[in-house]
Amino acid sequence: EAGVVQSPRYKIIEKKQPVAFWCNPISGHNTLYWYLQNLGQGPELLIRYENEEAVDDSQLPKDRFSAERLKGVDSTLKIQPAELGDSAVYLCASSLERLAGGHNNEQFFGPGTRLTVL
Amino acid sequence: GENVEQHPSTLSVQEGDSAVIKCTYSDSASNYFPWYKQELGKGPQLIIDIRSNVGEKKDQRIAVTLNKTAKHFSLHITETQPEDSAVYFCAASRVYDMRFGAGTRLTVKP
Repeated sequence: EAGVVQSPRYKIIEKKQPVAFWCNPISGHNTLYWYLQNLGQGPELLIRYENEEAVDDSQLPKDRFSAERLKGVDSTLKIQPAELGDSAVYLCASSLERLAGGHNNEQFFGPGTRLTVL
Repeated sequence: GENVEQHPSTLSVQEGDSAVIKCTYSDSASNYFPWYKQELGKGPQLIIDIRSNVGEKKDQRIAVTLNKTAKHFSLHITETQPEDSAVYFCAASRVYDMRFGAGTRLTVKP
């Protein structure tokens, strides 16, 4: 079974330019997450999707970040315009629908996109 | 919201020794505690998890303990091998809001 696929793996851009990241989750996983990972830190949630609905985007800087998951499968995260401080790894993860009884499901992570803003 | 603290930030052990990483959390309603291993250039990979109704869980050389009263949990790796070298993250979650610790860089010296 294929894991979470992300592209590109690396991206170098100049500040003020736009950039987009793509994620294809594991087949059948209807929950999709975008995380930001700064160097030497743990992942921090940006946005969570349940199918095509963004159910938690409270940590997404909406002035410059946007995301979409139009058909409830793959997703795109965009930054426009990028700033120097956006340099980080952007991780995508997916999981199955939450289990009955409220138990959390394992999140499977992709390899990430390393963004460098010059 | 949830706050997860992880110690130590770096850990170096000799091959064959044990390694212990500790985490504390702040939200008493958190009920799911996974541990992830992240190798260079890769995404985090789940290695073991524990739920709040269990005090300990073991999988071969890896074990996790949970103390709900004190709100801390620990990862134990026995008989460490060079391939265990990586960054390890703990996390705590109540529903979907998973919060990660800052990570521990484990180095296993041959």
